[in-house]
Amino acid sequence: SQTIHQWPATLVQPVGSPLSLECTVEGTSNPNLYWYRQAAGRGLQLLFYSVGIGQISSEVPQNLSASRPQDRQFILSSKKLLLSDSGFYLCAWTRGFELGNTIYFGEGSWLTVV
Amino acid sequence: SQQGEEDPQALSIQEGENATMNCSYKTSINNLQWYRQNSGRGLVHLILIRSNEREKHSGRLRVTLDTSKKSSSLLITASRAADTASYFCAIPPGRRALTFGSGTRLQVQP
Repeated sequence: SQTIHQWPATLVQPVGSPLSLECTVEGTSNPNLYWYRQAAGRGLQLLFYSVGIGQISSEVPQNLSASRPQDRQFILSSKKLLLSDSGFYLCAWTRGFELGNTIYFGEGSWLTVV
Repeated sequence: SQQGEEDPQALSIQEGENATMNCSYKTSINNLQWYRQNSGRGLVHLILIRSNEREKHSGRLRVTLDTSKKSSSLLITASRAADTASYFCAIPPGRRALTFGSGTRLQVQP
């Protein structure tokens, strides 16, 4: 069976510090990978998605970046965090864009920028 | 890109009652999915309904889709306190990624 792991679960970072959130998927190959952000009590905002190694599509211009160094690894980074980067970050995967593909989410990472 | 919009934003009911939440969207879709999110957790897939289906059941869940009105509804029958969560509809906008609305926050009072 497939599993998705995301870490760290919680972190508190000062403004201007760097960020690295990691996500790995097990039990499948060549997944589509996603990073979403959710502000408190709000919906999900798609940040990045990737259909393969080194292929990253950005949905929202901001100071965040994503990388996919391996097939099942997806990393969200920032060189300098802003207060507005606080939120709940969710990594997710699907088997592709085919009709009816379910999206599977990790447990999320709470980021508080202080 | 379009996304579904859920209504109401918040819903509070007593245990045993039915909960109905709605989703509206703007363009043609191939399918619509509903997800659930417990507080502080990731989303979990509940049910998918295809554009050629009008109704679908899964346990205590009943989903309807009206493509002429571009709307869907999720009904939870005989609700339980454990159903307390946020519920999202999700629209697949072509070959990109599912987009989600702001969700309906359901509170089931024991």
